[in-house]
Amino acid sequence: DTEVTQTPKHLVMGMTNKKSLKCEQHMGHRAMYWYKQKAKKPPELMFVYSYEKLSINESVPSRFSPECPNSSLLNLHLHALQPEDSALYLCASSQGDRGFNEQYFGPGTRLTVT
Amino acid sequence: AQKVTQAQTEISVVEKEDVTLDCVYETRDTTYYLFWYKQPPSGELVFLIRRNSFDEQNEISGRYSWNFQKSTSSFNFTITASQVVDSAVYFCALSSISNFGNEKLTFGTGTRLTIIP
Repeated sequence: DTEVTQTPKHLVMGMTNKKSLKCEQHMGHRAMYWYKQKAKKPPELMFVYSYEKLSINESVPSRFSPECPNSSLLNLHLHALQPEDSALYLCASSQGDRGFNEQYFGPGTRLTVT
Repeated sequence: AQKVTQAQTEISVVEKEDVTLDCVYETRDTTYYLFWYKQPPSGELVFLIRRNSFDEQNEISGRYSWNFQKSTSSFNFTITASQVVDSAVYFCALSSISNFGNEKLTFGTGTRLTIIP
């Protein structure tokens, strides 16, 4: 089963709200990723977790806070976002965090910040 | 620095035609991996293929085929007898392998393929 699930599918939030995006995989993968994708652009890497530890943070603003409670779950906590943060947020997982591992993506959460 | 170029921003073909999506990459590393992903309108990126830098054999999977040419730094993707379900954005991506970790995917800008019924 090569499935990564993400909830919610859509999210509308105000700039003062706090919300969380959730991602889950049951493939036994040890690396998980958050990407941000703006319209008509490729995905941009935000964070990488390897064996439940944060291994890459691509200088993402602190209003985005990742969390990996266990090897199957990945959260992205959102607080005080800006309208320009509106985008599709994609979660992915892979067997390990080495570059030769293909990544499997979830369907994404489409976020709108008002 | 790594770079992936997909010069074709948008392509439209009539159903059953063959179509080739171009991908040109740049890297200084000798060990690297190339990938193709498909992103249908639903948003999820679907992994299609991985190829390492030491394996220049072409690959065929059903209607899909890939041509890897190290001499021209290209990894092109051909869909034969296209179908409406092939309509999507296709991304080519590159990952180099290093001794230092932090190996990330570098995506091309994508090619939007529309199959006209």
